[in-house]
Amino acid sequence: DTAVSQTPKYLVTQMGNDKSIKCEQNLGHDTMYWYKQDSKKFLKIMFSYNNKELIINETVPNRFSPKSPDKAHLNLHINSLELGDSAVYFCASSQDHGGYGTQYFGPGTRLLVL
Amino acid sequence: GENVEQHPSTLSVQEGDSAVIKCTYSDSASNYFPWYKQELGKRPQLIIDIRSNVGEKKDQRIAVTLNKTAKHFSLHITETQPEDSAVYFCAASTPGNQFYFGTGTSLTVIP
Repeated sequence: DTAVSQTPKYLVTQMGNDKSIKCEQNLGHDTMYWYKQDSKKFLKIMFSYNNKELIINETVPNRFSPKSPDKAHLNLHINSLELGDSAVYFCASSQDHGGYGTQYFGPGTRLLVL
Repeated sequence: GENVEQHPSTLSVQEGDSAVIKCTYSDSASNYFPWYKQELGKRPQLIIDIRSNVGEKKDQRIAVTLNKTAKHFSLHITETQPEDSAVYFCAASTPGNQFYFGTGTSLTVIP
C-alpha cells in the first residue's frame, strides 16, 4: 500500500538540528496535509496545500516550513529542533480540500528529539 | 471555527458486546463526518463516513448515526472482536474546509 508514502519512517536527532520529512502521493489528489500526533494521540493539523498553494497554516512555529514542489509532493522542513517537536508526523492527501474528500494518511514519521 | 468533542476517551468492552462512541460538533455548516480507526503504530484509516443528508449508515458490524438538530453523531460497533481494539477518531468538515478531528477514543475489546 504505497498510495501515500513518507520518508524517513523514524528520525532520531539532537536538539538544534534541522531535518526534513518527505511525502509523496500517487493518488492524483489535489490536496495534501501535515498532521502532528503527540503522545496523547491528538491529531492536530499543521498545514494543507491545494495544488501547490498553501491553504491552511495553523498556529505552528515558523521553524516549520512546508514545501510543495508539485501537487504529488509535500515536504516538511523543521529548523532548530526542540524537545517538544518529538511526535509522529502524518502526511495525508484528499481529492479536494475538505468537504467530502476522504483523507488518506501516510505511515507516519516518528521523530524523537534528544 | 469548528469544535469537535469526543467521548469517552477510553472504552473497554467484553468480546461480543457492543461499543458506542459519541461526538458533538459546533458548526451547523459541517456536512461530512468520517470515522477513522488507528491501530497501534499504524496510520489512521477511514472505516465509515456519513454525509449530512443521511441519518444513518451501516457497513456490516459498524454503523454511524447523525442527528443534525442536536449536532451529534455516533459510531456503533456490534459483536466486537479483539481486532476492533484501536483508537477511533471522529471528524467533521464543511465544504472547502479542513477536517476537525475529535480527541480519540481508545477501545479495548477483552477476549
